[in-house]
Amino acid sequence: EVQLLESGGGLVQPGGSLRLSCAASGFTFSRYGMTWVRQVPGKGLEWVSTISGSGGATYYPDSVKGRFTISRDNSNNTLFLQMNSLRAGDAAAYYCVKARSGTYENWYFDLWGRGTLVTVSS
Amino acid sequence: QSVLTQPPSVSGAPGQTVTISCTGSSSNIGASYDVHWYQQLPGTAPKLLIYGNTNRPSGVPDRFSGSKSGTSASLAITGLQAEDEADYYCQTYDMRLSGRIFGGGTKLTVL
Repeated sequence: EVQLLESGGGLVQPGGSLRLSCAASGFTFSRYGMTWVRQVPGKGLEWVSTISGSGGATYYPDSVKGRFTISRDNSNNTLFLQMNSLRAGDAAAYYCVKARSGTYENWYFDLWGRGTLVTVSS
Repeated sequence: QSVLTQPPSVSGAPGQTVTISCTGSSSNIGASYDVHWYQQLPGTAPKLLIYGNTNRPSGVPDRFSGSKSGTSASLAITGLQAEDEADYYCQTYDMRLSGRIFGGGTKLTVL
């Protein structure tokens, strides 16, 4: 079955760190770029980071640049998101997403995980 | 405030047609980047609905269609059904921000 399964969410204090994981199955993981998208409950979607299939290229919005690091282990079909210096504004459901298409700018997201919830509170 | 503007809500009766707009600018939709649409049913993860402005993934009914013109894109849903009640998001790339952007989302209510 083609699926993405996130884990690692939970409660963390402001300034703390958390590492999210995403186990992929049912497709050739290394062939596809992967992305993290987050959503505050009841609010809209926000792109968090993207990594190329090889892992050689990574991309971040300014809101998380320097604090979050995306990485992947293609031998174990797993995507990661290391989140440091967490803030209240980072609290959200984090979705692991498979990207598709040719040129990087036109990638779209054809497979989503169920999400893992991150709570940032003292 | 999102770079892509969507109406917060739309509604329609079963069988009717509704259209959801997504308005951008010259740095995103107007720069010829593809627009994609996602449907998020209550309590679930988003699902790809339209990709590359007008294309439907397999399994998506042809009641859903996408279009793009200038700095805007639209999602049309014909023959509204109760199960279409969901949040809908447009998404593209912005060259000024050097990143992917989503619209703020539109809640569709089937009356």
